[in-house]
Order: sequence, then C-alpha cells, then structure tokens
Amino acid sequence: DAGVTQSPTHLIKTRGQQVTLRCSPKSGHDTVSWYQQALGQGPQFIFQYYEEEERQRGNFPDRFSGHQFPNYSSELNVNALLLGDSALYLCASSLGTGPEPLEAFFGQGTRLTVV
Amino acid sequence: EDKVVQSPLSLVVHEGDTVTLNCSYEVTNFRSLLWYKQEKKAPTFLFMLTSSGIEKKSGRLSSILDKKELFSILNITATQTGDSAVYLCAVGSNYQLIWGAGTKLIIKP
Repeated sequence: DAGVTQSPTHLIKTRGQQVTLRCSPKSGHDTVSWYQQALGQGPQFIFQYYEEEERQRGNFPDRFSGHQFPNYSSELNVNALLLGDSALYLCASSLGTGPEPLEAFFGQGTRLTVV
Repeated sequence: EDKVVQSPLSLVVHEGDTVTLNCSYEVTNFRSLLWYKQEKKAPTFLFMLTSSGIEKKSGRLSSILDKKELFSILNITATQTGDSAVYLCAVGSNYQLIWGAGTKLIIKP
C-alpha cells in the first residue's frame, strides 16, 4: 500500500518564478492538507482540500493556491516566489468528513529553495 | 491567537535515561492533540489524544492529556540512540493542525 507520495523531492527556483508541487494521498484517503515547514520550526498550515474544494485556509497570501483532482491527488502552486518561501513543503492525507482531524499521514516533503 | 508551545526546545540525555517532553496549548475549538516524530523529513504519527487522563502507550513511549490544564506530556523510557529526533506536538482544530516548534532530542550512547 503506497503511502503519501510527493514530487519532486527537491527543487531550486529563482525569485519571481512559479512552482507546482504534487501530492498523491494514501490509498483510501480523500482529504489533503498542505503545510510549510521552515528550518527549525513546526509546520504551518497552508490549506486543506476535500471533495475538490478548499475547505480551510491558513494565514498564507493568495500567491499560494491549490487544486484537488477527482482521484484525490493535489497540487500546491506558489506564484511570484520570494526568498522567504524556501522551506520544506509537506502534504498530509487523512480520511474524514467532519472537522475532527483524524490521524494524518505525511509524505516525505518537497524541499524548495528560492535563490 | 491559537498557540502550541513545546518544552524544552532541545534535550541531550544518555542512552537508558527516561525523558519527558511537554506540550501546552491555547487553541479554540480543540478537537485532539497529536504527537509526531520527525527524523529527516516526514513526521511519523505516534499518538492521538482526545480525552483527559487516559494514557496511550506504545512500547517505551506513552502520552497523556490534561484538558483542564491544557497540556500533554510524552514520556520515553529506556531511551535508545534511535529515539534521537524532533518530537512535534500538534493540536487539531477546525480542519487543521496547529503545531509547536518541536523538541529536539539527542540520545548519546
């Protein structure tokens, strides 16, 4: 059973560019959440997708956008990259229709470096 | 503003010691408290706690939640070098997890 898979694992981009990160949830899971983790800090919630809709959003600017496909996989897009966007981006999948966060499984993350 | 605070930020002990990691929180619409272990990239799930006073146990790890005093502890007994990692505490609320900064645990042989 494949767990949560993310691609790419590493990425280097230049300031001002745009980037797309991808996530396939664990088999049977229908909910995908994205987190940004800066070095030495805990993850910060970006947004969550359920039934192809953004269900909840954290404190991130509109440069961060996402999408969920009918097969539950998801993309995170970041426009107009800033140096401060350099971080580990984690995707978490879970199963649930209510607000109670169930056990979330994480992918290995995408390490984004903006230069 | 919702917040989760972990202490200590870092801890160095010798193999065989017992450690206690702390997590306090102030979060509206509390649903659950989760502990994760992060070694390199992906946090791996340890425990989810929703009720006060009920200890969860897995091998040498155990955790308990106090919803009145708004904190949780994670205990690791007979530590091994493989326990070296960052331990993250997260509180579930409104479809998201709110995270602490983590405790970096180093186990010396």
